[in-house]
Amino acid sequence: GQNIDQPTEMTATEGAIVQINCTYQTSGFNGLFWYQQHAGEAPTFLSYNVLDGLEEKGRFSSFLSRSKGYSYLLLKELQMKDSASYLCAVVDSNYQLIWGAGTKLIIKP
Amino acid sequence: GAVVSQHPSRVICKSGTSVKIECRSLDFQATTMFWYRQFPKQSLMLMATSNEGSKATYEQGVEKDKFLINHASLTLSTLTVTSAHPEDSSFYICSARDIGGEFSPLHFGNGTRLTVT
Repeated sequence: GQNIDQPTEMTATEGAIVQINCTYQTSGFNGLFWYQQHAGEAPTFLSYNVLDGLEEKGRFSSFLSRSKGYSYLLLKELQMKDSASYLCAVVDSNYQLIWGAGTKLIIKP
Repeated sequence: GAVVSQHPSRVICKSGTSVKIECRSLDFQATTMFWYRQFPKQSLMLMATSNEGSKATYEQGVEKDKFLINHASLTLSTLTVTSAHPEDSSFYICSARDIGGEFSPLHFGNGTRLTVT
């Protein structure tokens, strides 16, 4: 079967750095997305990785290792507004999006 | 950036009535649109894939006669929940992929919160 694993919840301090991990086992791989979702709102696109390595975009970076079936989202200089759920999603061989259950990130002052 | 407009954002209807939700790509063409449903504290679940000019592809367990999808143009897809029941109350979200290809990010609408009384 297809499986995406993320921690259910994480807590971090304002101004700090947090890394949210995602491991996946899917039938084929055509890329991995990270989305941010605030409560009651639709997800917003953060990053897309299809090749191994680190993609940096401002305070957010995303890393991918296809051989390990592993990705992480790194958030720097955390702000209170970063409190949200972070969803990892993999595009499989049929171009279907396989979603993780999301990681709820709680930022404390 | 690319914008997807979804309307209405919130709707309350009585059991047995039908509700139509519209999803429009405002500044790009989308041959493929996706409809998702999210129940409280659960992840987004794909309901169906809508392809312009052809029939939608429904995921297992989703009733095609209950959730009617029409993708009549490259910028508009509609989802109609027919004979709605309280268990259909959920957050419905559409997304669209730019005509540029499968590796383009999905752009999401703001969602429609449906409450069936």
